Amino acid sequence: KQEVTQIPAALSVPEGENLVLNCSFTDSAIYNLQWFRQDPGKGLTSLLLIQSSQREQTSGRLNASLDKSSGRSTLYIAASQPGDSATYLCAVHRGYGNKLVFGAGTILRVKS
Amino acid sequence: ETGVTQSPTHLIKTRGQQVTLRCSSQSGHNTVSWYQQALGQGPQFIFQYYREEENGRGNFPPRFSGLQFPNYSSELNVNALELDDSALYLCASSLDGLAFFGQGTRLTVV
Repeated sequence: KQEVTQIPAALSVPEGENLVLNCSFTDSAIYNLQWFRQDPGKGLTSLLLIQSSQREQTSGRLNASLDKSSGRSTLYIAASQPGDSATYLCAVHRGYGNKLVFGAGTILRVKS
Repeated sequence: ETGVTQSPTHLIKTRGQQVTLRCSSQSGHNTVSWYQQALGQGPQFIFQYYREEENGRGNFPPRFSGLQFPNYSSELNVNALELDDSALYLCASSLDGLAFFGQGTRLTVV
């Protein structure tokens, strides 16, 4: 059974810091891994999708890496801003007909 | 903007009642999934539909049921509501492995 763990559960940093969010999964037989952002009471916004054959993806100040063999992914946020404050969720997918399995998320607060 | 819309945004129901939540997916996205997200937790998979047929189900009782229609819309029905059904319900459509989520329906059971 796939289990996804995110560390830390919560993080508070001053504006401008670079930070790393961690995601680990127990079953390396994944099709892809997706990082999402969720604002309070809202839906999920997709940030980055990494296919199982890829090592990393970048979008603006965000960079996500994937190491399937060790069951780990990291989301790197450069030069954090107060607008980055949200919950960040990672989810792994086993492919067609299968579900996304989510971690519990990391609650990020960036202080101005 | 994900192109996935859910209605209603908020709903209050009484224990024992039935509820229908609706989702409209992007055209061409023939896979739709529903998730339940309790406060402070990650979303939990309820079920998935592909071309109007259920093709995956999570650990939810049969009183959770769904439908998918040819026009890329879908429904989640919950019978005999319980207090623990209070949660954010999320609909997601997917294409080539990339999932797009709606804004969710906040269901409160009192």
